[in-house]
Amino acid sequence: QLQPSGPGLVKPSETLSLTCSVSSGSISSYFWTWIRQPPGKGLEWIGYVDDSGYTNYNPSLKSRVTISVDTSKKHFSLRLTSVTAADTAVYYCARDSIYDNRGYTFDYWGQGALVTVSS
Amino acid sequence: EIVMTQSPLSLPVTPGEPASFSCRSSQSLLHSDGNNYLDWYLQKPGQSPQLLIYWGSNRASGVPDRFSGSGSGTDFTLKISRVEAEDVGLYYCMQALRTPVTFGGGTKVEIK
Repeated sequence: QLQPSGPGLVKPSETLSLTCSVSSGSISSYFWTWIRQPPGKGLEWIGYVDDSGYTNYNPSLKSRVTISVDTSKKHFSLRLTSVTAADTAVYYCARDSIYDNRGYTFDYWGQGALVTVSS
Repeated sequence: EIVMTQSPLSLPVTPGEPASFSCRSSQSLLHSDGNNYLDWYLQKPGQSPQLLIYWGSNRASGVPDRFSGSGSGTDFTLKISRVEAEDVGLYYCMQALRTPVTFGGGTKVEIK
């Protein structure tokens, strides 16, 4: 299971931080991914990290985002700096198997975590 | 980036009747390995998205066979042979070929 956690309210210009715990299975052989969905809108891919720490980010967010992994704790994290109201969204963590040859396919999604940016 | 466009935005359906909706990509999703890297996801109300179809036409594990995907290159279709009440929600297509991964805007399926 994937379980996101973190503050539900962040002030403008501050940093959004979320962690996703991988409660079962290996943390190896996957791209651990963050995806977000603003209220009433569609899905936006943020980026991923693998167990070696290799990352790949959406160019639209690249200057503000960091995704990291802690294999010993079996969790991965998202940091988004300098947030604005436009970053208000439900944030999902998801799993993408590296070796299934299905490209960037997300076979398991965690529960969403609503993060509101407001003063 | 690859732009994904879905139609229609909304689709009222009658239980027991078929339904279909479309997805178009701005670039071909056909890989040299012969697979189309196009996924379909269903987001039921209040839930996280779930994988329905990968490679354009392969059902994910546990997905009922009333769901079928077709298409190649830039044009794809998802069909439900007989809609059930539990099929309501938002259907998203997504290109799984290259990053940044991109999603269509979604088709909302609701019961008439």
